[in-house]
Amino acid sequence: EAGVTQFPSHSVIEKGQTVTLRCDPISGHDNLYWYRRVMGKEIKFLLHFVKESKQDESGMPNNRFLAERTGGTYSTLKVQPAELEDSGVYFCASSQVTGVYGYTFGSGTRLTVV
Amino acid sequence: KQEVTQIPAALSVPEGENLVLNCSFTDSAIYNLQWFRQDPGKGLTSLLLIQSSQREQTSGRLNASLDKSSGRSTLYIAASQPGDSATYLCAVSPMEYGNKLVFGAGTILRVKS
Repeated sequence: EAGVTQFPSHSVIEKGQTVTLRCDPISGHDNLYWYRRVMGKEIKFLLHFVKESKQDESGMPNNRFLAERTGGTYSTLKVQPAELEDSGVYFCASSQVTGVYGYTFGSGTRLTVV
Repeated sequence: KQEVTQIPAALSVPEGENLVLNCSFTDSAIYNLQWFRQDPGKGLTSLLLIQSSQREQTSGRLNASLDKSSGRSTLYIAASQPGDSATYLCAVSPMEYGNKLVFGAGTILRVKS
């Protein structure tokens, strides 16, 4: 089966611009998660979708971040306007059953805000 | 609040050595613990998943143990190879937080040929 796909793999944008990251989960996985790793820190949870509904968005840093999952398939994470501290690697993961099985992660999007 | 600590932060060993990576977590109420590997510029590859009711899991040269009561897990790598060089991450799925993962900072492993 195809894995979790993220694109772009890299993005360099200027401060104040908008960037949209996309994640395609494994087909049939209702659970979709966004995580990010900023330089020198641990990977941190951002939010969790169950199908098209936001189950938990407690990790979203602020209202410059907007995540959507239309139709319960792929998800987008928009950062508008981007700030320097948003630089990092954004990972998407999906899983079949909440709380029981492991996750499959995508290869991440490396975002650099200059 | 669940916190995950990994020791050592970095490790360099000669090829062929057996090695142990350590992970500790502060709250034993977890669904499972997962070990991941991350290669530079790549995503996270799941190595082993240990459910809270299990004590260990094995895959090839890898063996992971879980002592939930003491909040510890170890990843044992036998007969290390240069291809094992990567960052190894430990993550727990705390019951308190539903289905989030809480990660440690990782151990950077270098196996010298």
